[in-house]
Amino acid sequence: AQSVTQLDSHVSVSEGTPVLLRCNYSSSYSPSLFWYVQHPNKGLQLLLKYTSAATLVKGINGFEAEFKKSETSFHLTKPSAHMSDAAEYFCVVSEEDGNFGNEKLTFGTGTRLTIIP
Amino acid sequence: EAEVAQSPRYKITEKSQAVAFWCDPISGHATLYWYRQILGQGPELLVQFQDESVVDDSQLPKDRFSAERLKGVDSTLKIQPAELGDSAMYLCASRQIGREWGTDTQYFGPGTRLTVL
Repeated sequence: AQSVTQLDSHVSVSEGTPVLLRCNYSSSYSPSLFWYVQHPNKGLQLLLKYTSAATLVKGINGFEAEFKKSETSFHLTKPSAHMSDAAEYFCVVSEEDGNFGNEKLTFGTGTRLTIIP
Repeated sequence: EAEVAQSPRYKITEKSQAVAFWCDPISGHATLYWYRQILGQGPELLVQFQDESVVDDSQLPKDRFSAERLKGVDSTLKIQPAELGDSAMYLCASRQIGREWGTDTQYFGPGTRLTVL
């Protein structure tokens, strides 16, 4: 069974400072990993995904994440926070169950990012 | 850019009433998902369709929830009767199966916010 643990439920940073949102995963297979962002009362938007290619993944809006198998981690970072980054962030693990196309996503509980002006 | 459409965006109902949500996936996406997101938590899968067939409804409370995708395109999720605990965001997502594993992601709609009074 796969699972995801987001280590912080709430992170606050000042505008212009780095962002670090932490995520650890558990998976029986080689997983795909994602970060999604959700702004208030909006759907989920894909930030980036890892699918066993390069371990450092670059996403939209200046975000990136590094897959570390030895640490089972997939932390999300951004060098300089912007006010528009304030949102809920979800780390997600995906497994195909052997039937091609039958993908199952397991979401973390989310990290709320607050940007201090 | 193609998007997943959902309606209504907001729905307020009284307990014991019936409610229905509609989802139109991105054109050509064979796989469709319904998720429920309780406030403060990550989304949880309710049901997955491949074309018009249900491939996973293990988490769907079948005594009151039903889902259909009759022509393999748009889909309807119904709750009858609604209960107070059903208050949540209901998200629809679609996915196109690619030729390589892990090359596709789920695209989410804006969701329907249900409030049961």
